[in-house]
Amino acid sequence: KAGVTQTPRYLIKTRGQQVTLSCSPISGHRSVSWYQQTPGQGLQFLFEYFSETQRNKGNFPGRFSGRQFSNSRSEMNVSTLELGDSALYLCASSLVGTGVETQYFGPGTRLTVL
Amino acid sequence: AQKVTQAQTEISVVEKEDVTLDCVYETRDTTYYLFWYKQPPSGELVFLIRRNSFDEQNEISGRYSWNFQKSTSSFNFTITASQVVDSAVYFCALSEAGRRALTFGSGTRLQVQP
Repeated sequence: KAGVTQTPRYLIKTRGQQVTLSCSPISGHRSVSWYQQTPGQGLQFLFEYFSETQRNKGNFPGRFSGRQFSNSRSEMNVSTLELGDSALYLCASSLVGTGVETQYFGPGTRLTVL
Repeated sequence: AQKVTQAQTEISVVEKEDVTLDCVYETRDTTYYLFWYKQPPSGELVFLIRRNSFDEQNEISGRYSWNFQKSTSSFNFTITASQVVDSAVYFCALSEAGRRALTFGSGTRLQVQP
C-alpha cells in the first residue's frame, strides 16, 4: 500500500506570496492532519480534516488554511508569507472509526520563504 | 493542557551500547494515547509504537522496548545493542481520545557512533 504522499517536496517563495501544499493520504484513510516543524518551535499541530470538514485546529493565525476533497486528499494554503513560515510541513493520515488513531506521516514539504 | 517533555536533547553512544530515551507527559484526561516516532535525516516521521492509557504492559519489539508507567507519567524507550542505523531524532507524542491532534515533545537526537 502506498504511503502518504506530499507535493511539492521543496518550495521557495518570497515574503507576501501565497503557497498551496498538497497531501494524498494512504488509501482508505479518511483523516488528514497537518503539522509544522521548525527548529525553534518544534512540531506543532496545524489542523485536521475528516469528511471534508475541519475537525480540530491548532494555534495558528488565519493565514493558514486548509481543505479536504471528497477523495480525502487535502491541501493547505498559507497566504501573505512571512519569513517565520519557513518550515517543514508534514501531513499525516489515519483511519477513522477503528478506535486506533495512529497517524502515518508523509515525507513533508520544505518551504523556504525569502 | 497537554505537555510532553523530552529532557534529553542529544545522546551519543557507541554501537552496541544500550540507550534509553526518556519521555514525561502531562494530561488531565483519563483516556489518552502515547506514541513514539523516529525521524531520520530524510525528514519523514516513522511510527514506532502506540500505547493507550489503559494498557501499562511493557512491550518489546526486537531491539526496541518501551516502559509505560502511569504512576510517574513516563513512557520511556530503550534501544538494546544500538546500531548506526538507529541514528535519528526520536519524538514522543500524546493525543487525547477522540482528538487526532498530536502534542509532540521536543525530540531527542540519537547519534550512534561506529
